[in-house]
Amino acid sequence: NAGVTQTPKFQVLKTGQSMTLQCAQDMNHEYMSWYRQDPGMGLRLIHYSVGAGITDQGEVPNGYNVSRSTTEDFPLRLLSAAPSQTSVYFCASRRLLNEQFFGPGTRLTVL
Amino acid sequence: GQQLNQSPQSMFIQEGEDVSMNCTSSSIFNTWLWYKQDPGEGPVLLIALYKAGELTSNGRLTAQFGITRKDSFLNISASIPSDVGIYFCAGDRVGSNYKLTFGKGTLLTVNP
Repeated sequence: NAGVTQTPKFQVLKTGQSMTLQCAQDMNHEYMSWYRQDPGMGLRLIHYSVGAGITDQGEVPNGYNVSRSTTEDFPLRLLSAAPSQTSVYFCASRRLLNEQFFGPGTRLTVL
Repeated sequence: GQQLNQSPQSMFIQEGEDVSMNCTSSSIFNTWLWYKQDPGEGPVLLIALYKAGELTSNGRLTAQFGITRKDSFLNISASIPSDVGIYFCAGDRVGSNYKLTFGKGTLLTVNP
């Protein structure tokens, strides 16, 4: 099993550009989620999904979109990047009420 | 937002010492998870706890699910330099719809 994979590992964007952060898991987990991690702020939930076709907002959803067309994939889209979105982004998956596993992260810088 | 109080925020210890950290909340939890994060990496799951009172070990690490279901602790025995990192607690708060609540982490430094 590859577990949770994320691409790219690093990305630099200019303000206003859009991009998609990819996330995939091969554990057949129902629940997938996206977090951002900033110094002193801990992990903050952006969006999550409890199954294919179902998504919902976390605590910091503004400026981000998600979709869940398959169980395996959960991409995160930045619609118009802003410097405030400079962060480290983690995707995670879990079987409901069981262990949650994280991907290796995407380090995003918005200039 | 986060409703877990994790302490201490940071620890600086000598190699070979034992370490203890804990997470507390005013809410009741169904699960507790403990993670370690190395610089530039994603959090890695260390121990998962599912029942009140449960005590689980993983090598030199031991964690317990508090009997009141509002707290958990993690102990590391005989620390070594590679134990350096940030340790997070996380849990399923009752009524949270599977969204984990996270502590802000304990930064552990081990002096060889």
